[in-house]
Amino acid sequence: DSGVTQTPKHLITATGQRVTLRCSPRSGDLSVYWYQQSLDQGLQFLIQYYNGEERAKGNILERFSAQQFPDLHSELNLSSLELGDSALYFCASSARLGGETQYFGPGTRLLVL
Amino acid sequence: GQQVMQIPQYQHVQEGEDFTTYCNSSTTLSNIQWYKQRPGGHPVFLIQLVKSGEVKKQKRLTFQFGEAKKNSSLHITATQTTDVGTYFCAGSKAAGNKLTFGGGTRVLVKP
Repeated sequence: DSGVTQTPKHLITATGQRVTLRCSPRSGDLSVYWYQQSLDQGLQFLIQYYNGEERAKGNILERFSAQQFPDLHSELNLSSLELGDSALYFCASSARLGGETQYFGPGTRLLVL
Repeated sequence: GQQVMQIPQYQHVQEGEDFTTYCNSSTTLSNIQWYKQRPGGHPVFLIQLVKSGEVKKQKRLTFQFGEAKKNSSLHITATQTTDVGTYFCAGSKAAGNKLTFGGGTRVLVKP
């Protein structure tokens, strides 16, 4: 158990819809990262938040947005969903700004029909 | 931007054999980390290398950081079915910089 929790575990929705994925980092960790992993693919970095502020941005679509709240949990919002958004979405946390060990949550599997 | 490449993308290994997977960065790294993702699971941190030429061992796994701190390797001896999964390397240019993950090496073990 990494100490990082993600909800929900599974999500099935339709094209055009909007969903919110939630992540709670390990106790004491200030950074949260979001990754997308399509079937048998690598980890696509989406975005990083550090202590409530956006720290780094990767290949995140404009339809996607995220935020980190004062209690350090984070939410990833995916809107106008397309079939190609079906993937595993991982959240990870680390203690500080970046470069240190990341602890991954179990992921949210999103299926867009 | 920084790129981290891993080869091979897929590795089919006979149980009991050895193999090596490689990680190459386009820039000099301050540290490199390795993660393992079992099928259906999430990436789990294995090890971090910081010094030039550093070698670390974890049972049958040997990790090496290149002298120029731009590449790394993972060597597994006497492969077992428990070694199945995807191995990711991830590097950071400097403390405080985000990790950049490689594309991973997917390891399949033939019994």
